[in-house]
Amino acid sequence: SQQGEEDPQALSIQEGENATMNCSYKTSINNLQWYRQNSGRGLVHLILIRSNEREKHSGRLRVTLDTSKKSSSLLITASRAADTASYFCATYSGGGADGLTFGKGTHLIIQP
Amino acid sequence: EAEVAQSPRYKITEKSQAVAFWCDPISGHATLYWYRQILGQGPELLVQFQDESVVDDSQLPKDRFSAERLKGVDSTLKIQPAELGDSAMYLCASSLDWTGGHLNTEAFFGQGTRLTVV
Repeated sequence: SQQGEEDPQALSIQEGENATMNCSYKTSINNLQWYRQNSGRGLVHLILIRSNEREKHSGRLRVTLDTSKKSSSLLITASRAADTASYFCATYSGGGADGLTFGKGTHLIIQP
Repeated sequence: EAEVAQSPRYKITEKSQAVAFWCDPISGHATLYWYRQILGQGPELLVQFQDESVVDDSQLPKDRFSAERLKGVDSTLKIQPAELGDSAMYLCASSLDWTGGHLNTEAFFGQGTRLTVV
């Protein structure tokens, strides 16, 4: 089963523009993470935001978390062709036996 | 830089045959995950280990799938017999869990095994 649901499913923008993708989830969480996956490869961790945090930055990435709305957003600023990939949010509910539950992802295409 | 190792990278097998995947997590990582990812979808958790113990295998089709992590280090996922619908990417990931007293659930993924059942 998948808890997170990303929106939009696909996004195509011009290089240099900002890309925003959203994630909604259903149950309470300990933390929420974003991952990137290049075609046919494994996933790479981008950023983790804890349930008591509202915003976090890492380089060109900005993540927000609204636990009252059970939603998160990932903003990539000044996009580059190399940012073309699928982006997944993953929720960790805590308790040790919940693992990381992934959404279906947003496929981002950066047009040069 | 430490990595999660998976083998083989690609596997083609006929339906009804047995197939096995191997994963070696990053040294010291207590938690090990096996995920299945169908093309165009997100990873679906199959099984989660904490050291050598299974803590979640609720989504593992136990009539044909089995997983073990005997010494709490490397792990094997087996499918017997394979079915056409098992064609997917099988991903292994590991996480440290605790760093300096803080919960750290960042997962490190291997490159995956692409399984094709014909």
